[in-house]
Amino acid sequence: AQKITQTQPGMFVQEKEAVTLDCTYDTSDPSYGLFWYKQPSSGEMIFLIYQGSYDQQNATEGRYSLNFQKARKSANLVISASQLGDSAMYFCAMREVNTNAGKSTFGDGTTLTVKP
Amino acid sequence: DTEVTQTPKHLVMGMTNKKSLKCEQHMGHRAMYWYKQKAKKPPELMFVYSYEKLSINESVPSRFSPECPNSSLLNLHLHALQPEDSALYLCASSQDMASSGANVLTFGAGSRLTVL
Repeated sequence: AQKITQTQPGMFVQEKEAVTLDCTYDTSDPSYGLFWYKQPSSGEMIFLIYQGSYDQQNATEGRYSLNFQKARKSANLVISASQLGDSAMYFCAMREVNTNAGKSTFGDGTTLTVKP
Repeated sequence: DTEVTQTPKHLVMGMTNKKSLKCEQHMGHRAMYWYKQKAKKPPELMFVYSYEKLSINESVPSRFSPECPNSSLLNLHLHALQPEDSALYLCASSQDMASSGANVLTFGAGSRLTVL
């Protein structure tokens, strides 16, 4: 079974609107971290936001917030007030502390296109 | 400015050539990674160095040979590659591989390799 599932291969959003990118994960490790990375067409992967499994509050970083629903094993990324520069591929990733040798597992990604 | 620097940005090589990809970071990170990424796919882990020692090799063919000369540098030596090895090669670093979920990866811009 896939550890990280991103069900939206492509998403479109109008500039200045909010968009939610879905991510579900599967782990039996009680201690893990969830990450979102952005990859523009230039290729560089950029870290956006992190959520720890024991964090009580949803993480926020500027226009990015992570909607963490632990019981549902979901970690959706919310981008508010989309900008043209947000057009990129977005990857959800998980790092299990006690299993998988501490390696990060990536989802298949979602390509976001922001329309003017 | 990118904190992880990769050179060259682009590389074209024949199947009999020997070339190297280089990666440098000055953030004091003690874990460094090589990933391979095909178009529209997630990055695939190849190697991890922790405190300058090879800690993970994801069963990568021996035509790829990593080297970590010091804590700031990571090389990937390439020899007798196949056309299917053409991909974006991403270097990343993190604070360490300690048992903490918050192991944020800082990526370089990548080296785009074409094997003819």
